[in-house]
Amino acid sequence: NAGVTQTPKFQVLKTGQSMTLQCAQDMNHEYMSWYRQDPGMGLRLIHYSVGAGITDQGEVPNGYNVSRSTTEDFPLRLLSAAPSQTSVYFCASSYTGRLHYEQYFGPGTRLTVT
Amino acid sequence: GQQVMQIPQYQHVQEGEDFTTYCNSSTTLSNIQWYKQRPGGHPVFLIQLVKSGEVKKQKRLTFQFGEAKKNSSLHITATQTTDVGTYFCAFQGGSEKLVFGKGMKLTVNP
Repeated sequence: NAGVTQTPKFQVLKTGQSMTLQCAQDMNHEYMSWYRQDPGMGLRLIHYSVGAGITDQGEVPNGYNVSRSTTEDFPLRLLSAAPSQTSVYFCASSYTGRLHYEQYFGPGTRLTVT
Repeated sequence: GQQVMQIPQYQHVQEGEDFTTYCNSSTTLSNIQWYKQRPGGHPVFLIQLVKSGEVKKQKRLTFQFGEAKKNSSLHITATQTTDVGTYFCAFQGGSEKLVFGKGMKLTVNP
């Protein structure tokens, strides 16, 4: 199993550009999520999904869109990049139940917006 | 929304020392998870606590969930340089989302 994969690993964008961060998992996990990590801010939840066709907002959803057309993939779209979106982005996945199971994280995408 | 506070935010210890870090909530938690992130890496799951007063051990790491399920602690015995990293607690914050604390960054002086 490849686990959780993220592409690209690094990306530099100009203000106003759009792009999609890819995330895929091969563990048949229902739950997938996106976090951003900034110094001193910990991991902040952007969007999450509990299954194909179902998405919901996290703590910091503005400026980001998601969709979940398959169990395996959960792309994160930046509609019009801003310097405030410079961050490290992590995708995670897990099984779901009454309580959360162990989250498996991808290696991250380091995004710089100039 | 629900939040947890991790204290301290930074900890510097001498190799061989013991230390404890805490995760505190103002509301009752259904569960709590702990993760470790090595410098330049991604978070890796360590443990989940569910029951009131639960204590779990992993080698030199001891995790505890408070009796009121409002706080949790991670105690490391005889710290080693391999323990360096940021430790996060996380909890189920309403509906089905998992919310993380801001983390505790540990550095070790060899």
